[in-house]
Amino acid sequence: QKEVEQNSGPLSVPEGAIASLNCTYSDRGSQSFFWYRQYSGKSPELIMFIYSNGDKEDGRFTAQLNKASQYVSLLIRDSQPSDSATYLCAVKTGSQGNLIFGKGTKLSVKP
Amino acid sequence: GAGVSQSPRYKVTKRGQDVALRCDPISGHVSLYWYRQALGQGPEFLTYFNYEAQQDKSGLPNDRFSAERPEGSISTLTIQRTEQRDSAMYRCASSLFSGDRVNGYTFGSGTRLTVV
Repeated sequence: QKEVEQNSGPLSVPEGAIASLNCTYSDRGSQSFFWYRQYSGKSPELIMFIYSNGDKEDGRFTAQLNKASQYVSLLIRDSQPSDSATYLCAVKTGSQGNLIFGKGTKLSVKP
Repeated sequence: GAGVSQSPRYKVTKRGQDVALRCDPISGHVSLYWYRQALGQGPEFLTYFNYEAQQDKSGLPNDRFSAERPEGSISTLTIQRTEQRDSAMYRCASSLFSGDRVNGYTFGSGTRLTVV
């Protein structure tokens, strides 16, 4: 059973702080890792993907991947109230096939 | 189309009735996926297609659930003899191809199914 685990939160951070979201996965064959953001009542939207060990930065977002530890994280710098949403970690095993999603972590950024 | 279109947006049905949920993917997208999302949970995989071929249906909960994509474009997810436990948001997503990491999936707005 391929599993993706996330702390459901809620994670509360003050405006301007760094929010750190974590995800672990069970299948060592996993190759690609995605972070989606889902606002309440809306559909998930892609923020970033990563497939190599290390860090990948895109604006205020940094994805980190450690395949040895089967761990992927998302850092949000200078958090804004508009970042308040549920963040979904998703994993793909192999080059084809579907994504397996975690349950999501609810982030709340307080003004 | 410009985005992934799902219909209906809301469906209320009586227990025991059959329902058909429709998904119209982004034009030119090869891969189409069906997910189910319960409140406060992440999307749960149901099945996916490349063109008209169903590649993986391992996530379909039981044989009351089926899906098709006969011409490689629009897809229909059918639930027969609905039960209350089938109530959820059903989400469709499409991607240019199944290995597309750059663009990932684009999700539709979903169909909220309520079985009473």
